[in-house]
Amino acid sequence: AQSVTQPDIHITVSEGASLELRCNYSYGATPYLFWYVQSPGQGLQLLLKYFSGDTLVQGIKGFEAEFKRSQSSFNLRKPSVHWSDAAEYFCAVAHENNNDMRFGAGTRLTVKP
Amino acid sequence: DAGITQSPRHKVTETGTPVTLRCHQTENHRYMYWYRQDPGHGLRLIHYSYGVKDTDKGEVSDGYSVSRSKTEDFLLTLESATSSQTSVYFCAISEGGAGDTQYFGPGTRLTVL
Repeated sequence: AQSVTQPDIHITVSEGASLELRCNYSYGATPYLFWYVQSPGQGLQLLLKYFSGDTLVQGIKGFEAEFKRSQSSFNLRKPSVHWSDAAEYFCAVAHENNNDMRFGAGTRLTVKP
Repeated sequence: DAGITQSPRHKVTETGTPVTLRCHQTENHRYMYWYRQDPGHGLRLIHYSYGVKDTDKGEVSDGYSVSRSKTEDFLLTLESATSSQTSVYFCAISEGGAGDTQYFGPGTRLTVL
């Protein structure tokens, strides 16, 4: 079965610093990959997704992610973090023949002033 | 924002009682999902629907049932609530199936005493 691992439970960065959140997946075929963000007390919002093609994907709020097949990774990056980026981030994987999307456990981001 | 509402938003109930959560959408999307969110687990799919009266099980379906009699409503029922079902429940919708962007509701916090 497909699975997703987010190795970092909690990350703290200073405002203005760069950010990278890690995501590794396990699936036989090329998956559909997603990053969602959840602000406290809210539902999830899609940041970006990868289906095929260019392995560097641009999303909303200045985020990007890179699909690396050889490493089974889909890491999320942002060059300069803003205080409003503090939230929990979830990586997810799906497949075209399977409606059971699997989420990682999430990474909570704290932004220091 | 996608038109998704969940009711109730908060509920406290006792072990052994039946509980029904409602998800209502105004987007006319074909697919609807129920997830539960627990610390350390991210989101896990309970059941989903791919049309009126068409439903299927997800990763953690034991102890839950669903019904969809109208396109806009998807009900999640706990026939006899247990403390292990204390969680935050999210409804999501999508136009297409696997791999399509899912839009999430605000969540329902359920506590089973």
